[in-house]
Amino acid sequence: GQNIDQPTEMTATEGAIVQINCTYQTSGFNGLFWYQQHAGEAPTFLSYNVLDGLEEKGRFSSFLSRSKGYSYLLLKELQMKDSASYLCAVTDSNYQLIWGAGTKLIIKP
Amino acid sequence: IAGITQAPTSQILAAGRRMTLRCTQDMRHNAMYWYRQDLGLGLRLIHYSNTAGTTGKGEVPDGYSVSRANTDDFPLTLASAVPSQTSVYFCASSVGRGSGANVLTFGAGSRLTVL
Repeated sequence: GQNIDQPTEMTATEGAIVQINCTYQTSGFNGLFWYQQHAGEAPTFLSYNVLDGLEEKGRFSSFLSRSKGYSYLLLKELQMKDSASYLCAVTDSNYQLIWGAGTKLIIKP
Repeated sequence: IAGITQAPTSQILAAGRRMTLRCTQDMRHNAMYWYRQDLGLGLRLIHYSNTAGTTGKGEVPDGYSVSRANTDDFPLTLASAVPSQTSVYFCASSVGRGSGANVLTFGAGSRLTVL
């Protein structure tokens, strides 16, 4: 079956760096997404990776290794507003989007 | 403001009642989706539409129906609600389906409680 694994919850300190991992097993691969979802709100798009390597966008970076079925989202200079759930999703060979359960990130002062 | 509007925001419903969740987008996106989100689970696709006039079943379609009469509207109907349909429902849209770089825009969600 198709599966995406990410940690349920992580805690980090304001100003620090945190890495959220995502591993996937899907039938084919057509890209990996990271979305941010604040409590009680809708998910919003953060990043997209289709080739191996690092994509940097301001304080957020996303890395992909297709051979390892692995991605991570790196958040630098953490701010209190980064407290949210981070959702990893993979597009499979049928262009169906498979979602992980999300990682709840708690930022402490 | 361009985006997706969902209604109602929240609803408490008696089991057995019929309910329609409304979704309207003004971005002229071809593809639209309905997801449910439950604690501890990833977003699960209920139904989708690649373009106006077509619909398809997702991962958890039982008990739900959709229609896509035009580009903008994609209502989700629960014919006879059951408590297991208590969830947060998100409508989403994208420019198209069938592309890897298919970024979804989500509505604010509809929280449904079935008693």
